Amino acid sequence: KAGVTQTPRYLIKTRGQQVTLSCSPISGHRSVSWYQQTPGQGLQFLFEYFSETQRNKGNFPGRFSGRQFSNSRSEMNVSTLELGDSALYLCASSLVAGDNQPQHFGDGTRLSIL
Amino acid sequence: LAKTTQPISMDSYEGQEVNITCSHNNIATNDYITWYQQFPSQGPRFIIQGYKTKVTNEVASLFIPADRKSSTLSLPRVSLSDTAVYYCLVAASNDYKLSFGAGTTVTVRA
Repeated sequence: KAGVTQTPRYLIKTRGQQVTLSCSPISGHRSVSWYQQTPGQGLQFLFEYFSETQRNKGNFPGRFSGRQFSNSRSEMNVSTLELGDSALYLCASSLVAGDNQPQHFGDGTRLSIL
Repeated sequence: LAKTTQPISMDSYEGQEVNITCSHNNIATNDYITWYQQFPSQGPRFIIQGYKTKVTNEVASLFIPADRKSSTLSLPRVSLSDTAVYYCLVAASNDYKLSFGAGTTVTVRA
């Protein structure tokens, strides 16, 4: 069974640009969550989608947005990029939405802002 | 909020058993305790999950006392490849996914 797939693996952007990251969950998984990981802040929750609806949202500015498609694949978008957005962006999927569900993570997209 | 507290780092040697204790004094009745392992430049990997007493799988054991205010992840006979960051999470309503915390960096030496 294929794991969570994130594309691209690496990305370099400049300040002010926007970026879209993609996540394909494990087949059959309907919940997708996004996280940002930086050395200083650790792993922080961005948002969760289930059945194409945002179910939870972390404490991030409106520049960070996401969506989920009918096949459960998800994208996240960051507009007006800032230097501080440089991070590893991780996607995780689980069977259904629920706080006790173990999550399965992809290996992330490393975003570097110049 | 079921806040968790775990040591920042631990050192061990190959072949030893590593025990990481996580404190979660405010754990709620319906909460589960879940542990993840993360290697550099990879996403966290689910290790084990439990509710009470003891859970064991091919990778680790999880010990949870009756009051459930703490839990201990036990890694038997560690090897160099077990060097990683280990996160303890306790599901707490919608806060489960807000933060993984700093985790415990386990360094295994030869």
